[in-house]
Amino acid sequence: ETGVTQSPTHLIKTRGQQVTLRCSSQSGHNTVSWYQQALGQGPQFIFQYYREEENGRGNFPPRFSGLQFPNYSSELNVNALELDDSALYLCASSLGGGGFNQPQHFGDGTRLSIL
Amino acid sequence: AQSVTQPDIHITVSEGASLELRCNYSYGATPYLFWYVQSPGQGLQLLLKYFSGDTLVQGIKGFEAEFKRSQSSFNLRKPSVHWSDAAEYFCAVGESNSGYALNFGKGTSLLVTP
Repeated sequence: ETGVTQSPTHLIKTRGQQVTLRCSSQSGHNTVSWYQQALGQGPQFIFQYYREEENGRGNFPPRFSGLQFPNYSSELNVNALELDDSALYLCASSLGGGGFNQPQHFGDGTRLSIL
Repeated sequence: AQSVTQPDIHITVSEGASLELRCNYSYGATPYLFWYVQSPGQGLQLLLKYFSGDTLVQGIKGFEAEFKRSQSSFNLRKPSVHWSDAAEYFCAVGESNSGYALNFGKGTSLLVTP
């Protein structure tokens, strides 16, 4: 069983640029959630996708957007990068629309640094 | 919105000693509660979860947690800590207002000394 994989592992960008982060779900999982974890903080929910539709969103501005593909892999896009966007971005996959009875399995994250 | 508080930022225990990590939640009804562990440079691994029923739940790696409604707490325990338990521990509550989000505390960093 393949776990959740994220790419790239590290990324350096400058302010104002755009970035795309990628996530491959664990085999059979149809729900993907994205979290932002700033240094020394707990992860914060960005949004969740179920069967290619966004079905939940946290308190993040519209420049954070996402996609889920038919194979349930997902992308997180961030436009107009700001210094505060520097963080570890975590992807989690689960079954069945993300109901809490189905645990979320996390990848190792993408470390994004903004200069 | 539901939230969790982890009062201890850092905890140091000796190898072989017992461990208790505190977590308090704010929510009116019975919450969905979770404990995750994060090793350096890695993602989060689920240790255990509580939805309903028996208030003492068993997890992986010898961890357990007890749900206490009267104290709004869900503390994580382990009777004997191993050096490999050194990591960051996060308590989380399920938030279903927008999708099925996990609302995490700020974490407790565990250091294990010889």
